[in-house]
Amino acid sequence: NAGVTQTPKFQVLKTGQSMTLQCAQDMNHNSMYWYRQDPGMGLRLIYYSASEGTTDKGEVPNGYNVSRLNKREFSLRLESAAPSQTSVYFCASSVSGQANTEAFFGQGTRLTVV
Amino acid sequence: GESVGLHLPTLSVQEGDNSIINCAYSNSASDYFIWYKQESGKGPQFIIDIRSNMDKRQGQRVTVLLNKTVKHLSLQIAATQPGDSAVYFCAERVDYKLSFGAGTTVTVRA
Repeated sequence: NAGVTQTPKFQVLKTGQSMTLQCAQDMNHNSMYWYRQDPGMGLRLIYYSASEGTTDKGEVPNGYNVSRLNKREFSLRLESAAPSQTSVYFCASSVSGQANTEAFFGQGTRLTVV
Repeated sequence: GESVGLHLPTLSVQEGDNSIINCAYSNSASDYFIWYKQESGKGPQFIIDIRSNMDKRQGQRVTVLLNKTVKHLSLQIAATQPGDSAVYFCAERVDYKLSFGAGTTVTVRA
């Protein structure tokens, strides 16, 4: 049981390049989330997917797109990377957004945009 | 806007002493709260949670207190150990989404 798996773990991009961060969970969870973590700012929600087939904007969605490919997978895409998107990105999943259960996090992707 | 926040960004505690980490929230609609621990280079890990209809919940060496009157949440760690050194986040759930505070870095002195 791997939990939440993110790939890649590290990535360096040049300004303007695009890339997709992958996330998969094997816990049969309905809800999945993408957060970014910057120093002194905690985790901020980028996008979330309450259930398969739905996605919604979070607190900081600009510059990102997401795809809930199936129940297991939720990807985050940067179409044209900017230095302001340098951050650590975490994917998380939970049984559902309504259940009183915690969200489980992946190990993170450290992204640097130069 | 409404947000979750921690009172202090850092906390230094002597090994064996008790630790208290505080968190203030402002959204009265929050119905569920979680404390997470994040060690360097890792994702946040669940410590303990509490529903808004409770005021106290205990786990192994940890206790969470919720005071809805003043919108305050705290995490108490008993007999702090070196392995407790980490960043601690409180999170609140509003509209089925979790919002996180900025975190408190706990350093345990030997």
